Amino acid sequence: GESVGLHLPTLSVQEGDNSIINCAYSNSASDYFIWYKQESGKGPQFIIDIRSNMDKRQGQRVTVLLNKTVKHLSLQIAATQPGDSAVYFCAETGDFQKLVFGTGTRLLVSP
Amino acid sequence: EPEVTQTPSHQVTQMGQEVILRCVPISNHLYFYWYRQILGQKVEFLVSFYNNEISEKSEIFDDQFSVERPDGSNFTLKIRSTKLEDSAMYFCASSDRRGLQETQYFGPGTRLLVL
Repeated sequence: GESVGLHLPTLSVQEGDNSIINCAYSNSASDYFIWYKQESGKGPQFIIDIRSNMDKRQGQRVTVLLNKTVKHLSLQIAATQPGDSAVYFCAETGDFQKLVFGTGTRLLVSP
Repeated sequence: EPEVTQTPSHQVTQMGQEVILRCVPISNHLYFYWYRQILGQKVEFLVSFYNNEISEKSEIFDDQFSVERPDGSNFTLKIRSTKLEDSAMYFCASSDRRGLQETQYFGPGTRLLVL
């Protein structure tokens, strides 16, 4: 279900660990997906995207996996650093150009 | 690196007052958006704008809201008569060309507080 208010799902990891953040989407017609990072008091920052004709895409220290069968998206962060601490949102293209955001996951990285 | 900018960073207003939030999208982008985020919640789409007209709007974007591109660089969101529930972060975004598979880049946001 949806998270409301401050009750975001939270993932706590140690520095250097790999992190996996998951997202379920609902619109089977969506064909473009983006992960955004949002630090406190700032706007969403683009991390990585993936098109529906792919199931994996890699960036620097980040990998996005897309499973269209179960409508699931994940973000893997390798060697997580304290600077990675933020809220991570997945977003999908809904109708036309608008982005539909997920509820977010808070990543806490301990030194 | 080009970025979306927004002013003001914070705005406090009285209920019933009009506010105008300003955005300067990335210069070669043609598609512009406003989103809002109520404290602790997810980002919600308000409106998209292309070729000097609204291309899509959400149910949140009622008659109290309007958008304008008054010149070649600015993109504004006006709330005519603010309500307490309009308190939120408002984000402007822009993208290079329409629609699918084109990343939207977000500004830092304007925090609006309606008293």
